[in-house]
Amino acid sequence: KAGVTQTPRYLIKTRGQQVTLSCSPISGHRSVSWYQQTPGQGLQFLFEYFSETQRNKGNFPGRFSGRQFSNSRSEMNVSTLELGDSALYLCASSPDRDGYTFGSGTRLTVV
Amino acid sequence: EDQVTQSPEALRLQEGESSSLNCSYTVSGLRGLFWYRQDPGKGPEFLFTLYSAGEEKEKERLKATLTKKESFLHITAPKPEDSATYLCAVQAQGSSNTGKLIFGQGTTLQVKP
Repeated sequence: KAGVTQTPRYLIKTRGQQVTLSCSPISGHRSVSWYQQTPGQGLQFLFEYFSETQRNKGNFPGRFSGRQFSNSRSEMNVSTLELGDSALYLCASSPDRDGYTFGSGTRLTVV
Repeated sequence: EDQVTQSPEALRLQEGESSSLNCSYTVSGLRGLFWYRQDPGKGPEFLFTLYSAGEEKEKERLKATLTKKESFLHITAPKPEDSATYLCAVQAQGSSNTGKLIFGQGTTLQVKP
């Protein structure tokens, strides 16, 4: 059974640019959640999508957005990148409200 | 405000030296408490979900327990390969908490041979 796939694994971007990260959930899972992990703040919830609808959103600025496609794959976008956006971005897939399986993450570095 | 606090921040053990990690939580109605293991540069790996006080779950050298205010992850006779950061997370009840896990800062465990 394939796990959660996140692409790319590493990214280097310049301040002011935008970036799109991708997450393919486990087959059959309809929920995808996104988290930002930094050494100072730990893991923080960004948003959750289920059947192409955003069901929940964390306390992040509007520069962070996401979407989910009909095949449950999800993307998150960060616009106007800041140095503080450098982090490991993780997605987790779930059948619905339980059993959250994480991917290996995308390491974003903003320079 | 929902909150999770893990202690200690770091723990060094000799191989075979058993110990426990603590996760204290404050949540407005617990839907579930989760334990994950994270190795450097990787995503969290699921270990256990606990739902109600008194519940216990075991997997190899690990045993997780839950009370109304905290959870413990007991590690019996650890091996060097158990070295990792252990994360505790809670999910609160209610539709506004769907898909949202609140994580503690983690306990970094080092087991020396």
